[in-house]
Amino acid sequence: DGGITQSPKYLFRKEGQNVTLSCEQNLNHDAMYWYRQDPGQGLRLIYYSQIVNDFQKGDIAEGYSVSREKKESFPLTVTSAQKNPTAFYLCASSMLDFDRGLSEQFFGPGTRLTVL
Amino acid sequence: QQPVQSPQAVILREGEDAVINCSSSKALYSVHWYRQKHGEAPVFLMILLKGGEQKGHEKISASFNEKKQQSSLYLTASQLSYSGTYFCGTETLGTGANSKLTFGKGITLSVRP
Repeated sequence: DGGITQSPKYLFRKEGQNVTLSCEQNLNHDAMYWYRQDPGQGLRLIYYSQIVNDFQKGDIAEGYSVSREKKESFPLTVTSAQKNPTAFYLCASSMLDFDRGLSEQFFGPGTRLTVL
Repeated sequence: QQPVQSPQAVILREGEDAVINCSSSKALYSVHWYRQKHGEAPVFLMILLKGGEQKGHEKISASFNEKKQQSSLYLTASQLSYSGTYFCGTETLGTGANSKLTFGKGITLSVRP
């Protein structure tokens, strides 16, 4: 079955530690996205990538880093510089069609990160 | 800047209709709608494009007023399965190849028997 996987589902870390969240897709999508979700805040874009080895900052990129070495994978690292990292993190992917605007995004099941 | 969604919450009984709105201060190319159930990933409902084209769910309709930068989602004869949080995402005109969606804060809709 095609889809997006995120692991782990729940993650606990001590304050000051970096942590990497995994996101893999087998939909052959070019674009991948990372969102942060906090209660009452909606989905806020952290980083996105439209092609391998290239990515752009979203609205709340400070304290986060990403890489896109393979089309299928877009891991997110939450660094110790992120002041309030406890949140629900969602990864998404979509096809790209520059003539017709953004396509529908397919979301992974999410990772709930708790920093103690 | 996040689009503004209204109302903040909706409670209705099975079979009733509801309208939820999304408004942006920027000129838009498209509006996307998603529904998220508690503890699950958001699921795509519909895309409305500048110029009137729509892509999406057969049982849910929506409108896009390009001049007012507003979109409305119409839920008719609601079912229990319609419960969840509805998000609109807006794609702004003029962002070129690095287009992205900016999501609103969401509206919680509860359908009761």
